Amino acid sequence: DTAVSQTPKYLVTQMGNDKSIKCEQNLGHDTMYWYKQDSKKFLKIMFSYNNKELIINETVPNRFSPKSPDKAHLNLHINSLELGDSAVYFCASSRDWGNTEAFFGQGTRLTVV
Amino acid sequence: DQQVKQNSPSLSVQEGRISILNCDYTNSMFDYFLWYKKYPAEGPTFLISISSIKDKNEDGRFTVFLNKSAKHLSLHIVPSQPGDSAVYFCAALRTNQGGKLIFGQGTELSVKP
Repeated sequence: DTAVSQTPKYLVTQMGNDKSIKCEQNLGHDTMYWYKQDSKKFLKIMFSYNNKELIINETVPNRFSPKSPDKAHLNLHINSLELGDSAVYFCASSRDWGNTEAFFGQGTRLTVV
Repeated sequence: DQQVKQNSPSLSVQEGRISILNCDYTNSMFDYFLWYKKYPAEGPTFLISISSIKDKNEDGRFTVFLNKSAKHLSLHIVPSQPGDSAVYFCAALRTNQGGKLIFGQGTELSVKP
């Protein structure tokens, strides 16, 4: 049973397209996150949602729009994809907003050509 | 501005010996520190953590040491096993900012039989 699952695992798309990455957690956690790992391997937080409410938005271009239909899901929609968006995107969850241990999904490798 | 730094991109150790991975941070407001382990094509998995009120935490073969005055932490793995070969990420957070993890850039550990 996968605790945090993301789909797709790989995504290759052309510049200018719009794409979505889905994330689901079956841990009953209240808080979910999106992290981006760039070409230099730095993992940086993008967004955090607690009980479907946005609580962290880290200076991410507004082409990136997270959507949380319920607390078990946090999807990431990206409009007008650019070459620089190529990265690995990780979804994560934690028990609640104050909890320190986050559980990560396997990542989605996005390649924009 | 990289607040968490792992200055060794790679480390090679013989099986059975001790592995020491180092991490430095600049923000004195961090009050919780974590180590994550990452295999290729997988998400990071939580390994061990330490609160800033402690200077040592041990879990089986893994021990984390925190030196607040030096803003330095280290992860000791003893004895090292080939299955420990992975990328290790140090992460820090301010617990009053929820689960916003600030990651180092990782150290790739290779344990040779």
